Amino acid sequence: NAGVMQNPRHLVRRRGQEARLRCSPMKGHSHVYWYRQLPEEGLKFMVYLQKENIIDESGMPKERFSAEFPKEGPSILRIQQVVRGDSAAYFCASSPLVRPYEQYFGPGTRLTVT
Amino acid sequence: QKEVEQDPGPLSVPEGAIVSLNCTYSNSAFQYFMWYRQYSRKGPELLMYTYSSGNKEDGRFTAQVDKSSKYISLFIRDSQPSDSATYLCAMSLIQGAQKLVFGQGTRLTINP
Repeated sequence: NAGVMQNPRHLVRRRGQEARLRCSPMKGHSHVYWYRQLPEEGLKFMVYLQKENIIDESGMPKERFSAEFPKEGPSILRIQQVVRGDSAAYFCASSPLVRPYEQYFGPGTRLTVT
Repeated sequence: QKEVEQDPGPLSVPEGAIVSLNCTYSNSAFQYFMWYRQYSRKGPELLMYTYSSGNKEDGRFTAQVDKSSKYISLFIRDSQPSDSATYLCAMSLIQGAQKLVFGQGTRLTINP
């Protein structure tokens, strides 16, 4: 399967713990995007990365959230000191270089903070 | 006011009906328009994308963009129970095309 891969699919964390979400883009894609979907809300853009570069993080909360896309390995969205309001589905997408609007999504990671 | 408005439904129609799903938007600078289908507990699946105004057809699906009215539509012909899902519209600018702005999604049920 050459689609976007995300893991874990489900993640349960207690308040104050750290959450690490991983994303491997579709084969041939070098652009990665993270979105968050809160219950009963649409998808909200968080961050756009290329290998070793954060290009646009205008949708990222200012504190506790960070993202990276290293030269080797998957992209990681990291949430430190999670709170209940972080409970959501987090989706990763990737796109071809020349068509950044043509985004293909992974299955998502559903984060539950208890 | 949200940048992209989409009636959340739910919308329920009989099998075989023509379905019309719509979004309105406020930012006239949007140039790329996408439709996604999302099954419950799954990731969004890209159905179609169009640039600027006009129509685009792919099998049973037709996407329309009316930039003068800031209104986009997705039509599904000969609807099937397997089309039951949430449909999300999304759009982006030319500068900053990577940042998709989504509607809330319309929940559609096709009844056999």
